[in-house]
Amino acid sequence: DIQMTQSPSSLSASVGDRVTITCRTNQSISSDLNWLQHQPGKAPRLLVYSASVLHSGVPSRFTGSGSGTEFTLTISSLQPEDFATYYCQQSYRTPGTFGPGTKVDFK
Amino acid sequence: EVQLVQSGGGLVKPGESLRLSCATSGFTFRNYAMNWVRQAPGKGLEWVSFISSGSQYIYYADSVKGRFTISRDNAENSLYLQMNSLRPEDTAVYYCTREGGRGWFDYWGQGTPVTVSS
Repeated sequence: DIQMTQSPSSLSASVGDRVTITCRTNQSISSDLNWLQHQPGKAPRLLVYSASVLHSGVPSRFTGSGSGTEFTLTISSLQPEDFATYYCQQSYRTPGTFGPGTKVDFK
Repeated sequence: EVQLVQSGGGLVKPGESLRLSCATSGFTFRNYAMNWVRQAPGKGLEWVSFISSGSQYIYYADSVKGRFTISRDNAENSLYLQMNSLRPEDTAVYYCTREGGRGWFDYWGQGTPVTVSS
């Protein structure tokens, strides 16, 4: 099985801050890594697929990078609507398993 | 516009059954694999089950194998999850999700809560 870790597990930030979240896997998954945002009471939302491709309608302040076993999601300037939990998801092998999540809340 | 509209959740007792439905529109349903994903209270996202576009490949998480059955009706553009022998640990919000391209989950239903409690 592909094991996934995320760091940090949570972080506190302010509007306007630059935020970086890291996802690591225990084996190479090429660029088959996706990022999702999940806010309480809402459906999860795909932000980035194939490590670096922005999904339709996602603001350009979100950037994904990495390949192999280490990936990052960067929010260049945090906005009020960005406070949420972020999950990485590998799609290298079916099933597409999720990382444990990173909760971003108000400082 | 791609839409996934879920129905069928609710409160049941341990050992009982429930069937979730996911009605889709806005895309050619028969061309896409689909999944069910759940989130238990206070926990992260957990993949539950996968079905390929033509139903030839079906997979389950170990936690639900033998109790849950995923199915689809490509004529009705709908996805289903039959949940039998429900346990308290199955309590969660369940989401249906479309699998786009190389396996990312690009569109999601609104979620339906399932509570298993005596």
